[in-house]
Amino acid sequence: GENVEQHPSTLSVQEGDSAVIKCTYSDSASNYFPWYKQELGKRPQLIIDIRSNVGEKKDQRIAVTLNKTAKHFSLHITETQPEDSAVYFCAAIPNQAGTALIFGKGTTLSVSS
Amino acid sequence: DAGVIQSPRHEVTEMGQEVTLRCKPISGHDYLFWYRQTMMRGLELLIYFNNNVPIDDSGMPEDRFSAKMPNASFSTLKIQPSEPRDSAVYFCAGSQGSPLRGYTFGSGTRLTVV
Repeated sequence: GENVEQHPSTLSVQEGDSAVIKCTYSDSASNYFPWYKQELGKRPQLIIDIRSNVGEKKDQRIAVTLNKTAKHFSLHITETQPEDSAVYFCAAIPNQAGTALIFGKGTTLSVSS
Repeated sequence: DAGVIQSPRHEVTEMGQEVTLRCKPISGHDYLFWYRQTMMRGLELLIYFNNNVPIDDSGMPEDRFSAKMPNASFSTLKIQPSEPRDSAVYFCAGSQGSPLRGYTFGSGTRLTVV
């Protein structure tokens, strides 16, 4: 089955700096890679996703890159703000019947002003 | 739309008691997922349904856990008997048309077994 590794587990940055979170996956059949943000005590919420036919996707200060050959994908947050502080989860899912999202263990991002 | 609705928000129970968690998915979402979140293990998939039919329950930890979806608007996750190691936040999530889409999560149920 799919296994998703996420690094780092914690990340502290100064406001305005960039933050990068990396994930690797094991199943080469995986072709959908979403990222979720979970604020303290709240539900995980989808912030961006990418499919295997795309190498990079941007949405304002957030971007995700995918390297299918190396089986890794990354979340990039530029010009970080205190409200970006949260736990970020990556996930992957193979394109086959009977599967669901498998999540990484999360990265706690702290942005200090 | 009120989103995915879970109840109760918090549950404290004694070891050995039966616990039932409830989920009402978004209308039209034909996929429903139950996840468990702990600090040590992160978000773990327990079971998921498609059109009310269980598709993959390989993540259900033990026979103490069971899940049902009697209709498109309601699902339950039952733990009987509960144990302290079951303490976690349990999330219900849904998607429409395919599991290869972003899931919408409920607010979760924080379960504490003492």
